[in-house]
Amino acid sequence: QSALTQPASVSGSPGQSITISCTGTSSNIGFYNLVSWYQQHPGKAPKLMIYEATKWPSGVSNRFSGSKSGNTASLTISGLQAEDEAHYYCSSYAGGGTMLFGGGTKVTVL
Amino acid sequence: QVQLQESGPGLVKPSETLSLNCTISGGSISRYDWIWIRQSAEKGLEWIGRFDKSGVPNINPSLRSRVSVSMDTSKNEFSLKLTYVTAADTAIYYCARDPGSHGHDWYFDVWGRGTLVTVSS
Repeated sequence: QSALTQPASVSGSPGQSITISCTGTSSNIGFYNLVSWYQQHPGKAPKLMIYEATKWPSGVSNRFSGSKSGNTASLTISGLQAEDEAHYYCSSYAGGGTMLFGGGTKVTVL
Repeated sequence: QVQLQESGPGLVKPSETLSLNCTISGGSISRYDWIWIRQSAEKGLEWIGRFDKSGVPNINPSLRSRVSVSMDTSKNEFSLKLTYVTAADTAIYYCARDPGSHGHDWYFDVWGRGTLVTVSS
């Protein structure tokens, strides 16, 4: 199965909102609500930011929000801050006991 | 607070077997599912497989012929073996936790720091 499709990069100024898309198919994102988003700073492990498409883990800022429509999931970062500069990855359950990750999006704070 | 720590050789020769362990501290290994994920520049993040709290392994079909996972509850440790490695298996290998609160949750809320494994002669 192919990886989920994310834009390579997204940028915004401090205080702005940005949205990262994650496009799959009717066999993964479109069928299951099991979409997650991870933030990864250089040299660090990924950190869970959103799970089940729209839910926040404990301790994650509500400036991060998730949504899903059809075969596309999205992560919105509101009130962009310098510390948000990182790579972001989506993932989805793909049925048959397997899962997929997106290729990652580099977020740059201008 | 649960912490995960990967351990194993950083260099493996082609055609040999890569063996990694993940030690869990601060929590019980028996209550959750445990996951192996790897990350390389070529393939990005790739789910390798899980060992769930029922003791059932589940492996990525693309790696199934070469991967085995296991758990040692007495050591609070779970393990990965990947046979017949090639340069394409060079990656950072992470262990992670799936809360498994609804069967398999398919999200990972605790991660190890990762360990770089290079396949080279």
